[in-house]
Amino acid sequence: QVQLVQSGAEVKKPGASVKVSCKASGYTFTSYDINWVRQATGQGLEWMGWMNPNSGNTGYAQKFQGRVTMTRNTSISTAYMELSSLRSEDTAVYYCATRHYYGSGSDAFDIWGQGTMVTVSS
Amino acid sequence: SSELTQDPAVSVALGQTVRITCQGDSLRSYYASWYQQKPGQAPVLVIYGKNNRPSGIPDRFSGSSSGNTASLTITGAQAEDEADYYCNSRDSSGNPHWVFGGGTKLTVL
Repeated sequence: QVQLVQSGAEVKKPGASVKVSCKASGYTFTSYDINWVRQATGQGLEWMGWMNPNSGNTGYAQKFQGRVTMTRNTSISTAYMELSSLRSEDTAVYYCATRHYYGSGSDAFDIWGQGTMVTVSS
Repeated sequence: SSELTQDPAVSVALGQTVRITCQGDSLRSYYASWYQQKPGQAPVLVIYGKNNRPSGIPDRFSGSSSGNTASLTITGAQAEDEADYYCNSRDSSGNPHWVFGGGTKLTVL
């Protein structure tokens, strides 16, 4: 079945970097953009950016520009999100999701990974 | 702050109809998509486009849009519909960026 499986929980110190992986299966990896969304405990969803697995093109939310890098390895159908200069406010669950474009101004994040908890603590 | 505005909380009696709204300028140009999230789980897409449901989503969920407001309606709410609901759309910058509403906590009484 179509699914995204993410890497396990991480604990990092302030100032460090974290790299989360998202492995796709059940569909052609290069067909849909991968987006990353995070959610701090008790808070709402926050869109971080997108990556086109075919071209490698990316687009990042202004808030994360300069700190986030989204990459992929097409040979293993895996996307990565690396966030640097971590601070306590980055403690959150990070999700990857495919974005399906349906045309006429309509798109949606239709498949989601299970989420990866990243804890930033000294 | 979010470019898409949702009421923080809404309640509905079991079996009744509830509408959850999402307001934002970008909704004049783009459709919203809607996500249901239960505690400890990843979000699930429930409505996309003009009014489309992914496979497996009950037909009591429907969507609509007018002007700068998108709505998710649950007709005959069930106990299992109690969850957080988020709207999402392109932002109003003109760039390929997306934004989520702040979320609405739905309580089924």
